[in-house]
Amino acid sequence: KNEVEQSPQNLTAQKGEFITINCSYSVGISALHWLQQHPGGGIVSLFMLSSGKKKHGRLIATINIQEKHSSLHITASHPRDSAVYICAVRVLTGNQFYFGTGTSLTVIP
Amino acid sequence: DSGVTQTPKHLITATGQRVTLRCSPRSGDLSVYWYQQSLDQGLQFLIQYYNGEERAKGNILERFSAQQFPDLHSELNLSSLELGDSALYFCASSVVAGGPNEQYFGPGTRLTVT
Repeated sequence: KNEVEQSPQNLTAQKGEFITINCSYSVGISALHWLQQHPGGGIVSLFMLSSGKKKHGRLIATINIQEKHSSLHITASHPRDSAVYICAVRVLTGNQFYFGTGTSLTVIP
Repeated sequence: DSGVTQTPKHLITATGQRVTLRCSPRSGDLSVYWYQQSLDQGLQFLIQYYNGEERAKGNILERFSAQQFPDLHSELNLSSLELGDSALYFCASSVVAGGPNEQYFGPGTRLTVT
């Protein structure tokens, strides 16, 4: 049983395209994180959400607590956005973390 | 650079051995988290410490243990190593203990068990 489901698993886009990655979860959460992992392996936290919407540059993250769903949008995608994007949730009870399996994004010039 | 440091960067050891991974959090952060990333299991949460006390526990094996010292650095001890323990081990830190708070990840330690 996967507490966190991400889609799509793989995504290829042309430079400039608008990209959406989805995350659904099945547990009560205190926070949802979007992480970016580059081919070198390092992880960067992009967003931490507990409600609503956040924007950082070309990246937008939204969360709907009632529907247990979050989306990560990338506007005007660029080859440097190529990475694996991982959704993670912090469970309300017990403070455990669960991770999605990641979305591998390739942006073609 | 997140401000979180991990040593060593790479570690190669044999089955049955014991290793210690070290993490220094960002200045001012009291919480340290340990994660394991393997090819077949993806990212998994192992354990969290806050100001020296265990705060949350995930899928940490009994062969693994961790602690956070008074200077807030943390160590993850892995013993009786098996081939399946080969993975990237990440440490992250945050200011507070729980709820919605930003985490900053270290560069990771790549462990190879042969």
